Amino acid sequence: QVQLVESGGGVVQPGGSLRLSCAASGFTFNTYNMHWVRQAPGRGLDWVAFIRHDGSDKYYADSVKGRFTISRDNSKNTLYLEVNSLRAEDTAIYYCARDGHDYKLDYWGQGTLVTVSS
Amino acid sequence: QSALTQPPSVSGSPGQSVAISCTGTSSDIGNYNRVSWYQQPPGTAPKLMIYEVSNRPSGVPDRFSGSKSGNTASLTISGLQAEDEADYYCSSYTSSTTWVFGGGTKLTVL
Repeated sequence: QVQLVESGGGVVQPGGSLRLSCAASGFTFNTYNMHWVRQAPGRGLDWVAFIRHDGSDKYYADSVKGRFTISRDNSKNTLYLEVNSLRAEDTAIYYCARDGHDYKLDYWGQGTLVTVSS
Repeated sequence: QSALTQPPSVSGSPGQSVAISCTGTSSDIGNYNRVSWYQQPPGTAPKLMIYEVSNRPSGVPDRFSGSKSGNTASLTISGLQAEDEADYYCSSYTSSTTWVFGGGTKLTVL
């Protein structure tokens, strides 16, 4: 069965950096586009970034452009999100999600919590 | 990249039907049939319920249906059950090659 397992979250000071990972299994990872979506505590879902199956295209929300970088290693079935210059408003659960070929996010991980605090 | 507009809350009694609206613009919902709906019970990850406006993934009950008119999409849940109580989010692909979510709607089953 499809599984997505995020890791790498934690507490970081404003201006700091983290590298989030998403280990995928149960499907042919290198044939699927992937997303990162975040959710601040008690708030709604916020789309963050997209990467094509072969890494050839990447798109970002305006709020993270220039600070976050999405990447993938298809040999390791792993998706990444490098988050830099972190701000308090970046505090959220970060989910990775599979794009099911029809612009739909059909499988989600359980998320990893990033807390930006001094 | 303004969020899509959803009502903050809706409610209904078991067996009734409820509809949740999702209003966007001609740059997202109005221009694409790439509208999805997600269910998120408290403390859990979102689950896909509807894609491409009105299609249901396998395993989603046919009590859940979707539609679209102009810049507004809707999710209708008929025959409400206690287990349907959750937050619901709409989402659309946009002309900026991004995705946008609605603010979310809390469904309460009375």
